[in-house]
Amino acid sequence: KAGVTQTPRYLIKTRGQQVTLSCSPISGHRSVSWYQQTPGQGLQFLFEYFSETQRNKGNFPGRFSGRQFSNSRSEMNVSTLELGDSALYLCASSPASQMNTEAFFGQGTRLTVV
Amino acid sequence: AQKVTQAQTEISVVEKEDVTLDCVYETRDTTYYLFWYKQPPSGELVFLIRRNSFDEQNEISGRYSWNFQKSTSSFNFTITASQVVDSAVYFCALNILTGGGNKLTFGTGTQLKVEL
Repeated sequence: KAGVTQTPRYLIKTRGQQVTLSCSPISGHRSVSWYQQTPGQGLQFLFEYFSETQRNKGNFPGRFSGRQFSNSRSEMNVSTLELGDSALYLCASSPASQMNTEAFFGQGTRLTVV
Repeated sequence: AQKVTQAQTEISVVEKEDVTLDCVYETRDTTYYLFWYKQPPSGELVFLIRRNSFDEQNEISGRYSWNFQKSTSSFNFTITASQVVDSAVYFCALNILTGGGNKLTFGTGTQLKVEL
């Protein structure tokens, strides 16, 4: 069974640009969550999508957005990039949207904003 | 608000030593789940264990064991006879019933280095 696939693995963008990251969950999983990992703030929850609907949202500005498609693949978008957006963005896939559900993580997209 | 504290930033041990990683959590919810994840250098987080707030039984899985104590809000993780392959960052995480869904609150992680 294929794991969670995130593309691209590495990305370098200029301040002010926008970026789209992609996540393909494990086949059959309907929940996709996104996390930002930085040395200063650690792992922080961005949002969760389940059956194409945003289920939960973390405390991030509106520049961070996401969506989920009917095949459960998800994208997240960051507009007007800032230097502080440099981070490892991790996507997690789960079969259900419940508090006890094990999450399977991808290897992440390393975004560098210059 | 929820909070998970992992006071140990980095631990170094020699192979075959036992090591305990501490985790203390805060939540007003009475129904919640606690998790441990491992993050090797490759980046992905790997699920190790989950425990619900109503189950205080300790668990052992091979060289791994977990001690959940609600009285002290702690969920500690012990590796017995550590190996070099155990070197990674370990995260403790919390998910609560309120709001539903998959919304993990992570601790800051403990970097474990196991040396020969």
